[in-house]
Amino acid sequence: DTGVSQNPRHKITKRGQNVTFRCDPISEHNRLYWYRQTLGQGPEFLTYFQNEAQLEKSRLLSDRFSAERPKGSFSTLEIQRTEQGDSAMYLCASTSRSSGNTIYFGEGSWLTVV
Amino acid sequence: GQQVMQIPQYQHVQEGEDFTTYCNSSTTLSNIQWYKQRPGGHPVFLIQLVKSGEVKKQKRLTFQFGEAKKNSSLHITATQTTDVGTYFCAGRKAAGNKLTFGGGTRVLVKP
Repeated sequence: DTGVSQNPRHKITKRGQNVTFRCDPISEHNRLYWYRQTLGQGPEFLTYFQNEAQLEKSRLLSDRFSAERPKGSFSTLEIQRTEQGDSAMYLCASTSRSSGNTIYFGEGSWLTVV
Repeated sequence: GQQVMQIPQYQHVQEGEDFTTYCNSSTTLSNIQWYKQRPGGHPVFLIQLVKSGEVKKQKRLTFQFGEAKKNSSLHITATQTTDVGTYFCAGRKAAGNKLTFGGGTRVLVKP
């Protein structure tokens, strides 16, 4: 499978715990996005990388959220001290100019904070 | 900040009928994309529109980009049960890379 891969697919955690999600984009894609989606809503932009540089970060991303893409390949999204309001699906997507800027989404990582 | 709105939020369609969903941006866009998300799935790219007034067709789906590049529409003819899902538009501003999604139109098809 050469699509965008995310893991874990599902995570249930207790409030206050830290969680980390990983995204492996399509290999030749230099741009990587994180979005968050709650039930009945459209995806909300969180952050964007071009290669290893984090170029844009939403105001939705509080200090408890951090994302990295250390070698310009895979990316991680960490949420510290989780709150119930963090429960959502976290979507990773990748693209490149050679793909016509079409954004390819992974299947998402579902987070439930109890 | 940029806002993208879609109407209607819900669309109940009799199988075989046509319908249209609309997307409006608060700012001028460089391009607009449409995605479909099946229940329990992830958004899947359908099409990108770039030019003012552009119209593209994919089988029973017709996509249009407004002349002012601030609105778009998706028209589906002869709706089938396979058309069930949520259709999102997502716009990109001229100088940015971020895609801003609308709230989606949830389509239910009555057989």
